Amino acid sequence: DAGVIQSPRHEVTEMGQEVTLRCKPISGHDYLFWYRQTMMRGLELLIYFNNNVPIDDSGMPEDRFSAKMPNASFSTLKIQPSEPRDSAVYFCASQRGTSLAKNIQYFGAGTRLSVL
Amino acid sequence: AQSVAQPEDQVNVAEGNPLTVKCTYSVSGNPYLFWYVQYPNRGLQFLLKYITGDNLVKGSYGFEAEFNKSQTSFHLKKPSALVSDSALYFCAVRAQRAYNTDKLIFGTGTRLQVFP
Repeated sequence: DAGVIQSPRHEVTEMGQEVTLRCKPISGHDYLFWYRQTMMRGLELLIYFNNNVPIDDSGMPEDRFSAKMPNASFSTLKIQPSEPRDSAVYFCASQRGTSLAKNIQYFGAGTRLSVL
Repeated sequence: AQSVAQPEDQVNVAEGNPLTVKCTYSVSGNPYLFWYVQYPNRGLQFLLKYITGDNLVKGSYGFEAEFNKSQTSFHLKKPSALVSDSALYFCAVRAQRAYNTDKLIFGTGTRLQVFP
């Protein structure tokens, strides 16, 4: 298995532009998580999905952030408009929600976002 | 509310010496406990977990962790450190009976530096 795939790996954009981050979870995994990592705030959970349905979006910073999961193999995190304070590394993780392997999250390599 | 504390921002150890990275937790009821490692420019990688049973859990790369219920701790240990163990280590917890959430609560991370 190729693991969790995120694209792009690096994104540099200007303030006010729309940014879309993409994630392909591991096949067969029914949970998907979006995290943000910064030096100041550490690792923050933004939102997670179960069977493509958003379950908890309480970590989404504000209305500028939105996430979708149109099918089991694809999710997006969108920031519109972007601001310099959104600069961070964004991780996607997936998990197979069976009792045997419960709660082992597999992380992608991340997208490093720089908003100028 | 669930929480995880990693009291040390950084741990320094000489190669060949034993290492300990500390973690304490707070949950209602019995916990699921995890350790993840993050190498530079990579996503988090699962190391080991405690679900039930033996309090000493063995994981990848020679790491182990001991669950101590009375002290609500789950410290990560390794008998002999390697320079290649240098990375950022995260402890995470989830209550076994968290009916309304499947998410893990991560600590702030501890940077392990192993010196030759």
